[in-house]
Amino acid sequence: AQTVTQSQPEMSVQEAETVTLSCTYDTSESNYYLFWYKQPPSRQMILVIRQEAYKQQNATENRFSVNFQKAAKSFSLKISDSQLGDTAMYFCAFSGTYKYIFGTGTRLKVLA
Amino acid sequence: EAGVAQSPRYKIIEKRQSVAFWCNPISGHATLYWYQQILGQGPKLLIQFQNNGVVDDSQLPKDRFSAERLKGVDSTLKIQPAKLEDSAVYLCASSLGGTGQINEQFFGPGTRLTVL
Repeated sequence: AQTVTQSQPEMSVQEAETVTLSCTYDTSESNYYLFWYKQPPSRQMILVIRQEAYKQQNATENRFSVNFQKAAKSFSLKISDSQLGDTAMYFCAFSGTYKYIFGTGTRLKVLA
Repeated sequence: EAGVAQSPRYKIIEKRQSVAFWCNPISGHATLYWYQQILGQGPKLLIQFQNNGVVDDSQLPKDRFSAERLKGVDSTLKIQPAKLEDSAVYLCASSLGGTGQINEQFFGPGTRLTVL
């Protein structure tokens, strides 16, 4: 069975600093997709970044980038130049052939 | 482009009562998902529709929960009878395609259910 694990329940970072959120997953599939979603306080969940497992190149979206290690089944999110608006719950998600699974989330607080 | 709409936004009921939630996905999105998000946890998939067919309902407590997506557009999720442990936010999401694809899920604002 596929699983997604986020081992950091809470993290904090100073404004303008860099922070990395961890995610590991388990699957026997070779083709799948990974996502990071952001859920700001009292606001809707939105996609931050996505990665196709067959692509070796790590995805980047402005200040957000991932470190995808397929062999290690690791998919971490790096946020550079953290901003107050980055304060949110961050969920790692896996999409396989039949299942879409979310991790338990990491609560990130950006400090002024 | 209009987003995913959900109603009501908040609902308070007593245990053993019934409740229904409504979701209108983004136009043209074939796949619709219902999630249960308990406070402090990640979303748990309850049911996934592809058009008006059920793709996955393995985690739906079928003795009390039911869902339908008539005509492959709007969807309703019903709980009857509700239990205290059903207190959660119920999220609806939609995507162009389903699992096994790169499609992003677009989420609605959710319905916060409190069961007393």
